[in-house]
Amino acid sequence: GQQLNQSPQSMFIQEGEDVSMNCTSSSIFNTWLWYKQDPGEGPVLLIALYKAGELTSNGRLTAQFGITRKDSFLNISASIPSDVGIYFCAGQLGGSQGNLIFGKGTKLSVKP
Amino acid sequence: GAGVSQTPSNKVTEKGKYVELRCDPISGHTALYWYRQSLGQGPEFLIYFQGTGAADDSGLPNDRFFAVRPEGSVSTLKIQRTERGDSAVYLCASSSSRVDTQYFGPGTRLTVL
Repeated sequence: GQQLNQSPQSMFIQEGEDVSMNCTSSSIFNTWLWYKQDPGEGPVLLIALYKAGELTSNGRLTAQFGITRKDSFLNISASIPSDVGIYFCAGQLGGSQGNLIFGKGTKLSVKP
Repeated sequence: GAGVSQTPSNKVTEKGKYVELRCDPISGHTALYWYRQSLGQGPEFLIYFQGTGAADDSGLPNDRFFAVRPEGSVSTLKIQRTERGDSAVYLCASSSSRVDTQYFGPGTRLTVL
C-alpha cells in the first residue's frame, strides 16, 4: 500500500537535544498528523494540522503543514528520556476517504 | 471503557485456520477503521466503517479478509485460511466522524505458525 517518505528512520538523542523529523509525499493531503507509538501500544496522536502553512505547538513539540500540502515536519525541543519511541507521520486525503496513510516511522532512542 | 479496546491482545494460530479479531470503539463513535502493522512499518489501512456499513474496503488484501459491524458499534475482523504472511499487529481506530481524530486501540498481535 501507499506510504509516506519519512526520515530519518532512526536517531539517537541525548537529553536536552532538539530533534527534527519530516515526511514527504507525492500526493496532496488535506490533513497531516503526527503520532507516537510505544511498544505494545497503539499510536497516540500528538499534533494535527489542517491548513497549508499551519504551524502548531503542543508543549515541546512543534509541527508544520507544508505550503505545497505534500510535506510536514515535527520538531521536539529539549528532549527528555520519555520521548523515546516511534514517531509516525500520517496524511489524510480528504473527500470521501477517511483512512490515514502512514510513514514508516522514526525511531527515537537515547544515546548510551 | 474510555478508549478503544481490542481482544485478544495476542493470537497464535496455525496456517490454514480461521481467526476473529474484535474491536470495541469509543462509545458514540460512528467511524471505525482497521489497520495492519507489519514489523518495522507504519500501519496500513484495511477497511473503514461508517455506522454499520463498510464505506471503504479497498485496503483488504484479498477475499480471505472480511469485517463486519452489525450494530454500528463492535466490529470483528475475520481472516479465513490464515497464511504466515498474515502475521502482524492488527490495529483498530475509531472517530466521531470521518474527518475527526482517530483514536487507536492497543492492537491484536497475530502470529500464524
